[in-house]
Amino acid sequence: EVQLVESGGGLVQPGGSLRLSCTVSGFTLSTYWMNWVRQAPGKGLEWVANIKQDGSEKYYVDSVRGRFTISRDNAKDSLFLQMNGLRADDTALYYCVRGWITPSIGPPLHSWGQGTLVTVSS
Amino acid sequence: DIQMTQSPSTLSASVGDRVTITCRASQSISTWLAWYQQKPGKAPKILIYKASSLETGVPSRFSGGGSGTEFTLTISSLQPDDFATYYCQRYNDLWSFGQGTKVEIK
Repeated sequence: EVQLVESGGGLVQPGGSLRLSCTVSGFTLSTYWMNWVRQAPGKGLEWVANIKQDGSEKYYVDSVRGRFTISRDNAKDSLFLQMNGLRADDTALYYCVRGWITPSIGPPLHSWGQGTLVTVSS
Repeated sequence: DIQMTQSPSTLSASVGDRVTITCRASQSISTWLAWYQQKPGKAPKILIYKASSLETGVPSRFSGGGSGTEFTLTISSLQPDDFATYYCQRYNDLWSFGQGTKVEIK
C-alpha cells in the first residue's frame, strides 16, 4: 500500500523557518517525481514545488521561489521542504504528493499524504 | 501567468442528475489538464488526466473533455458519494489549480 506521511508542521512566527518531511512507503521513492501542494484553511489547492527523481530539477510557484527549497533523500525514503522567511499567507495544510515517473505520462499528482499544518502567526 | 477559472463555484444537484463542471484557461494548455475530487477533511483524489483519460479505479460515470482553453468534467448520474469539491489543474508548464466547484445536495 502506498503511504506518504508528512511531519514537521506547527506554529511559527512571521519571518521564521520550518522544515517539513515526508516519509514514504509502499513504493520506491527514487522512481518518482515528488511534489508539495498546499491548501490554506477553507481555500483551494496551490501547487508549491516539485523535484525530479535524482534532485537535478526543481520547480517552484512564484510566491515561494527564493524562500522555500525542496529536496529529497531517496536512501531514506524521504522528501523535504525547507521553508524560510515564512509569512502569514503561507499558513496552510501542506501535502506531500507522488508524481509521475516520466513527465507527461500519467497523472501529474497521483498519491497524496494527509498533510501537515503550518501556521504562521505572532 | 495562465489563469484557471472554474464554473460554477457551487452546484446544487440531486442523486441521478447529470452534472457538468467547466474549467477555462486564459491561454491554450492543449490537453494538459487534470481533475481532482476532494471531500471534507480528506486529501484530493485524481479522477482525470490529459483532459480525458480516466484514472484507474475511477467509476466510468466520470468523464472529461475539451482541449485548448475550455474543458469539462461530467458526472453522468450523480451518486451520494460524489458530493464533494472538484478542482481542475493545468500542468503544461508551471502548474496551477482552478478555484474549485462544490457539488452539494439539492
